[in-house]
Amino acid sequence: DVKVTQSSRYLVKRTGEKVFLECVQDMDHENMFWYRQDPGLGLRLIYFSYDVKMKEKGDIPEGYSVSREKKERFSLILESASTNQTSMYLCASSQDSEKLFFGSGTQLSVL
Amino acid sequence: RKEVEQDPGPFNVPEGATVAFNCTYSNSASQSFFWYRQDCRKEPKLLMSVYSSGNEDGRFTAQLNRASQYISLLIRDSKLSDSATYLCVVNPPTDSWGKLQFGAGTQVVVTP
Repeated sequence: DVKVTQSSRYLVKRTGEKVFLECVQDMDHENMFWYRQDPGLGLRLIYFSYDVKMKEKGDIPEGYSVSREKKERFSLILESASTNQTSMYLCASSQDSEKLFFGSGTQLSVL
Repeated sequence: RKEVEQDPGPFNVPEGATVAFNCTYSNSASQSFFWYRQDCRKEPKLLMSVYSSGNEDGRFTAQLNRASQYISLLIRDSKLSDSATYLCVVNPPTDSWGKLQFGAGTQVVVTP
């Protein structure tokens, strides 16, 4: 079974803090993705990576950056957290671009 | 206009009944289609892939209508465990590789 592990299930941060969300996959997948999920909006792609040190902007990259130093690990960084970044963050990995395996998510609250 | 649209529901279904719901997509050049299932406070999981006209897996049937740009999901003999939100996912044309488009989901509640 593919396992995608996100470091925190719940996180509370203050406005202006730098926030790191970590994601690790154990299936040697090439591709990793970060989404956020908000009620009524569905999942929206923030960034994805198709190889180590490679990254591509998704649909809503503003206010976020990513890091992929190792194949199994993909980090999402909020340089200066804002209240409109309160959301559920989902990491996923995939060997292609279609069949995604998701982590259990991090519910981030920015106060 | 959203790229992928779904009726949010909820669809309240008696146990044992059949339920069907649709998803419409805007880009006629979309390549492939998927249904993901998401339980309450859990992550989405792939339920079915749809590459041609349709796909069937046990009690679940997905149909694709390219002319009208929609896909449907039909659940027969509904079980209580089928209660979930069903996400419609569209793979856009190849110049948007990696950028799957997700609908907001259709909630299904199966009642005893």
